[in-house]
Amino acid sequence: DTEVTQTPKHLVMGMTNKKSLKCEQHMGHRAMYWYKQKAKKPPELMFVYSYEKLSINESVPSRFSPECPNSSLLNLHLHALQPEDSALYLCASSQANGVPYGYTFGSGTRLTVV
Amino acid sequence: AQSVSQHNHHVILSEAASLELGCNYSYGGTVNLFWYVQYPGQHLQLLLKYFSGDPLVKGIKGFEAEFIKSKFSFNLRKPSVQWSDTAEYFCAVIAISGGYQKVTFGTGTKLQVIP
Repeated sequence: DTEVTQTPKHLVMGMTNKKSLKCEQHMGHRAMYWYKQKAKKPPELMFVYSYEKLSINESVPSRFSPECPNSSLLNLHLHALQPEDSALYLCASSQANGVPYGYTFGSGTRLTVV
Repeated sequence: AQSVSQHNHHVILSEAASLELGCNYSYGGTVNLFWYVQYPGQHLQLLLKYFSGDPLVKGIKGFEAEFIKSKFSFNLRKPSVQWSDTAEYFCAVIAISGGYQKVTFGTGTKLQVIP
């Protein structure tokens, strides 16, 4: 299995809702990432987990809460989002160290906040 | 800190024309470079990658890129583009730190191929 699987593919949520994005990989990668991509812009790093511990939080608002329950799963919990948070959310995984041969992106969750 | 510059923001070509998209990077460590493509409304797809060895890298769909260390460049090329190559192209550099690999993307180049 050489894929990063993200669910759901599309999500529409209200500003008072709580929802979660899921990301799963079975490549044995010990580093996992959340990116946010607005239309016509490059992906921007949000969070990095290494060996299930949060290594980087790129000053992301607290309405986004990441969680790494085990080495294969990465969640992004969403609460009280704003319409400007509408974007494509990408998960990625890689080896923790060494040459990044296997750096892999998922297909993303397209989030719309109404 | 690493950075990537893509100087061409929007390129318009006719079918069968040759393509070259510029990418320059700045990074003091070991260089790992990627080119990604994103078709309209779709997710990122890896076109090709360079880690070491032969500086001329061949990827999918007839694309290739050349790593020129002295110029800090990793330009993407294709001899003859097709309408289906219309997409956004992102160059990226990966920095390997303690326990993770951080990708920095360029701002992207929108390629429009006219039939």
